[in-house]
Amino acid sequence: AQSVTQLGSHVSVSEGALVLLRCNYSSSVPPYLFWYVQYPNQGLQLLLKYTSAATLVKGINGFEAEFKKSETSFHLTKPSAHMSDAAEYFCAVTDTGRRALTFGSGTRLQVQP
Amino acid sequence: EAGVTQFPSHSVIEKGQTVTLRCDPISGHDNLYWYRRVMGKEIKFLLHFVKESKQDESGMPNNRFLAERTGGTYSTLKVQPAELEDSGVYFCASSQGRGPYEQYFGPGTRLTVT
Repeated sequence: AQSVTQLGSHVSVSEGALVLLRCNYSSSVPPYLFWYVQYPNQGLQLLLKYTSAATLVKGINGFEAEFKKSETSFHLTKPSAHMSDAAEYFCAVTDTGRRALTFGSGTRLQVQP
Repeated sequence: EAGVTQFPSHSVIEKGQTVTLRCDPISGHDNLYWYRRVMGKEIKFLLHFVKESKQDESGMPNNRFLAERTGGTYSTLKVQPAELEDSGVYFCASSQGRGPYEQYFGPGTRLTVT
């Protein structure tokens, strides 16, 4: 069965600092990988997705993630944090056999002024 | 274009009562999914409809949960009778096509069973 591990349930950064949210997956087949963000009182919004094209994926709001098969990782980064980035971030995986997303436990990002 | 909508946004019921959650997917999306997040846990898949048919219901916790999708449009998720452990946020999502397309999520229904 697939699984996703997000290291760090809470991450705090200063405004303007690098954001790095970690995601490792386990999958026996080439996966499709996603990062979603949930702002307060809203649904999940897709930030970016990897579907076996370019390993460096650019998403919305300046976020990007790099698929590293050798490390089974798909970490999310943003060079400079904004206050508006404060939210909960979810890494998710699926494969060609199923549509259901398997989520990590989420990382709550706090941005300090 | 309207997004995925869910009703109600919040529901508080007593143990043993029945609750029905509704999801309206994005128009034209054949795929509809239900997920649940119990407090402190990860978001977990419940089931997947393709039009009106259940494609995958491997995540349904037990037979107290009944999902339907009338005419391939909106979907309902009924919990009967509700138990304390059913409390959480229930998300609905929809997508189009047959590939790993983006799933569009609704805002969720927060269910509290007391």
